[in-house]
Amino acid sequence: EVQLVESGGGLVQPGGSLRVSCAASGFSVSNNYMSWVRQAPGKGLEGVSVMYSGGTIHYADSVKGRFIISRDNSKNTLHLQMNSLRAEDTAVYYCATNPSAGYWGQGTLVTVSS
Amino acid sequence: DIQMTQSPSTLSASIGDRVTITCRASQSISSWLAWYQQKPGKAPKVLIYMASTLQSGVPSRFSGSGSGTEFTLTISSLQPDDFATYYCQHYNRYSETFGQGTKVEIK
Repeated sequence: EVQLVESGGGLVQPGGSLRVSCAASGFSVSNNYMSWVRQAPGKGLEGVSVMYSGGTIHYADSVKGRFIISRDNSKNTLHLQMNSLRAEDTAVYYCATNPSAGYWGQGTLVTVSS
Repeated sequence: DIQMTQSPSTLSASIGDRVTITCRASQSISSWLAWYQQKPGKAPKVLIYMASTLQSGVPSRFSGSGSGTEFTLTISSLQPDDFATYYCQHYNRYSETFGQGTKVEIK
């Protein structure tokens, strides 16, 4: 059974940093397209970052230069390092696979507030 | 980046209705399009990928069509479990963009 389990969310002050993680089981993070998608309270879905199996990375303009996607193949885990956080980064952060595989985690809430 | 525009934003329909949601891309995306269903407090669920391929386990009343810049999601006969918000998503090696969503409500 495939599972994606996010962790690391919480409350952080504006300008602060946080790292969220996505632990995968039954599915290889290193051999597949993996992405981070966020959803602000009451809003729609926003693609944040994508990492392809070959290592190609894409970031949304709204997070470029502040967020870094990475993976730990030995732990089969995807990470999102979030720096210089702003109030508008407050959202539930989901990790997800390629749509053809169709797996999503349950999400982790990041709240940026003083 | 490629922009995805969904219409309508809200749709009121009755059980048994045929429902169609449209998604337009700002430039050609071939068939690199997925459709998702999301219910409150839950993660999105993939319904369709590659514009028209039904994800495993998804009921056959859902179908997708289109290529290039115009795409549609059709529910042939709306069921009680289908009241939710639907999103289109363009995905490929260089970008990933969602439409703004269509909420399907009970009429």
